[in-house]
Amino acid sequence: DIQMTQSPSSLSASVGDRVTITCRAGQTISTSLNWYQQKPGTAPKLLIYGASRLQSGVPSRFSGSGSGTDFTLTINSLQPEDFATYYCQQSYSAEYTFGQGTNLHTK
Amino acid sequence: QEQLQESGPGLLKPSETLSLTCTVSGGSISSYYWTWIRQPAGKGLEWIGRIYSDGSTNYNPSLKSRVTVSVDTSKNQFSLKLSSVTAADTAVYYCARDNLIGYTTSWGLYAFDIWGQGTMVTVSS
Repeated sequence: DIQMTQSPSSLSASVGDRVTITCRAGQTISTSLNWYQQKPGTAPKLLIYGASRLQSGVPSRFSGSGSGTDFTLTINSLQPEDFATYYCQQSYSAEYTFGQGTNLHTK
Repeated sequence: QEQLQESGPGLLKPSETLSLTCTVSGGSISSYYWTWIRQPAGKGLEWIGRIYSDGSTNYNPSLKSRVTVSVDTSKNQFSLKLSSVTAADTAVYYCARDNLIGYTTSWGLYAFDIWGQGTMVTVSS
């Protein structure tokens, strides 16, 4: 299976900051990379698909980039509601895998 | 608006078989992939397996020997069976739609765009 490695595992930031989360795939996955946001006690929510395509209804301060093995999720001008855990997930292989998650918390 | 709802027993004993059903409402189960994902308390997401409405499946290799995902299009439901459970199978179990959400020049892009709220399953003697 394709291993997905996120960094950092934990990230502290303040409202208004710009933050970047990285996801690395164990082999090339082209742009078959999705990002999800999960808040405590709730199901994950799709933010970005195809590495850089914003899901409908997601604020434009979220953006994604990358291809091959290295990907980033960037959040510009952090809002209070953005503090959550973020997961990457590859859909290149039919045996899907997730990154281990990045916990974004207030500084 | 399409919605998913998981249902099934919340407490199992070791060696029993976990059985969960996901009911799709507000839309058709046909012509989509549907998936199961789980999350132990305080840990990350683990993909379990998926099924297309025609019954074709893909499974996580680490769980494949114990997992069966099935679909009942007449009831707009799909189901998960996980045999020989242990405490390590204690988790919140989510169902989700695995949607062909976009295209590159070469292939389709899939993502989990609709999720159920999740159901907690505890394995304990």
